[in-house]
Amino acid sequence: GAGVSQSPSNKVTEKGKDVELRCDPISGHTALYWYRQRLGQGLEFLIYFQGNSAPDKSGLPSDRFSAERTGESVSTLTIQRTQQEDSAVYLCASSLGGASYNEQFFGPGTRLTVL
Amino acid sequence: GQNIDQPTEMTATEGAIVQINCTYQTSGFNGLFWYQQHAGEAPTFLSYNVLDGLEEKGRFSSFLSRSKGYSYLLLKELQMKDSASYLCAVNDNAGNMLTFGGGTRLMVKP
Repeated sequence: GAGVSQSPSNKVTEKGKDVELRCDPISGHTALYWYRQRLGQGLEFLIYFQGNSAPDKSGLPSDRFSAERTGESVSTLTIQRTQQEDSAVYLCASSLGGASYNEQFFGPGTRLTVL
Repeated sequence: GQNIDQPTEMTATEGAIVQINCTYQTSGFNGLFWYQQHAGEAPTFLSYNVLDGLEEKGRFSSFLSRSKGYSYLLLKELQMKDSASYLCAVNDNAGNMLTFGGGTRLMVKP
């Protein structure tokens, strides 16, 4: 079956513009995560959705970042008024449930470059 | 705060064995994951440990000591395709997100 997909794969934008990144999780996966990975660094948690529960937004770095999820499917991560420091690969992952042992399956990421 | 440490880079020879260490200090603990990430690609799951001891899966094994806040990933019979970054990640029980270390870039040489 299909894995996690993300679009676009690459996005180049000018400082100050808004961007929207999309994630399609694996069908049936109730949990969805967004991470950010700066060049040569580990993954940094941003936000977590589990079913119909309120999302855990504790990793969002500023109020310029927001995310939504429609039911248990597509999620969009929006970055407003982008800054150069937002340049990174944004990775989405999904898992079967919210249990700690549930493996997270990652998408290929969106490489964001802010000029 | 959360702190997960692993070496930045390691080099090993094809056919050899390499051990990648990870130490962690987190507010809680609900399991440790190892992921492999080839350059420009998504991380892929390798192992999950929540109890002390060694989990073996083919050429890869992962060890956990909760009392020491320590894990390692052991790769045997190294192949060139094993050249990748290896990410250690902890579920700290504050939610179900993972806290990642910086990753260890492994280079396998002929």
